[in-house]
Amino acid sequence: SYVLTQPPSVSVAPGETARITCGGSKFGTKIVHWYQQKPGQAPVLVVYDDSDRPSGIPERFSGSNSGNTATLTISRVEAGDEADYYCQVWDSSSDPYVVFGGGTKLTVL
Amino acid sequence: EVQLVESGGSLVQPGGSLRLSCTASGLIVSSDYMSWVRQAPGKGLEWVSVIYSGGRTYYADSVKGRFTISRHNSKNTVYLQMNSLTPEDTAIYYCARTLDRGGFDYWGQGTLVTVSS
Repeated sequence: SYVLTQPPSVSVAPGETARITCGGSKFGTKIVHWYQQKPGQAPVLVVYDDSDRPSGIPERFSGSNSGNTATLTISRVEAGDEADYYCQVWDSSSDPYVVFGGGTKLTVL
Repeated sequence: EVQLVESGGSLVQPGGSLRLSCTASGLIVSSDYMSWVRQAPGKGLEWVSVIYSGGRTYYADSVKGRFTISRHNSKNTVYLQMNSLTPEDTAIYYCARTLDRGGFDYWGQGTLVTVSS
């Protein structure tokens, strides 16, 4: 089965840049999406189709996908960015197959 | 404004059944792909099922043969019929609109299913 690997935790100081990685094989053929989830809340889509941002998501959130690694970058990190972040891919080459990464806890120091 | 409201979660015994509902406003469930995603307590996200606008349905291996996704167009509601439940099915169940390339852009608030004797 397809596996997406994320670091369990990332810590950054306010104002710094956070980079959360998501590793998987043959990433170049897959499209990656990213979600932010705060305690007790539903996930929120922050990046879709590798690097697009839904309306209402700050420009500080950006995504990239290269080789076997996708990266969510959060610039000028704020205290309110502290949350769990999940990457996700959807493979519809045959029956759809959806995989989430294990999640990364972003701590703002 | 898009709103998805799940309901139907409760405590159920192992082997039991439950039907979850997801009522939408601001979007038409029959025109979109709609999915169910679950999250066990303290765990990550797991995709469960999707129903395409054309009506095709697909399931994660962990629920295939036990869960059925469906929709009622005039009620603008998506359902998840869950049978033969086990403690491993304990989770918050979210419904979510699914984009063409597989992102989930609108989510409900979730409904809690607890499978325990």
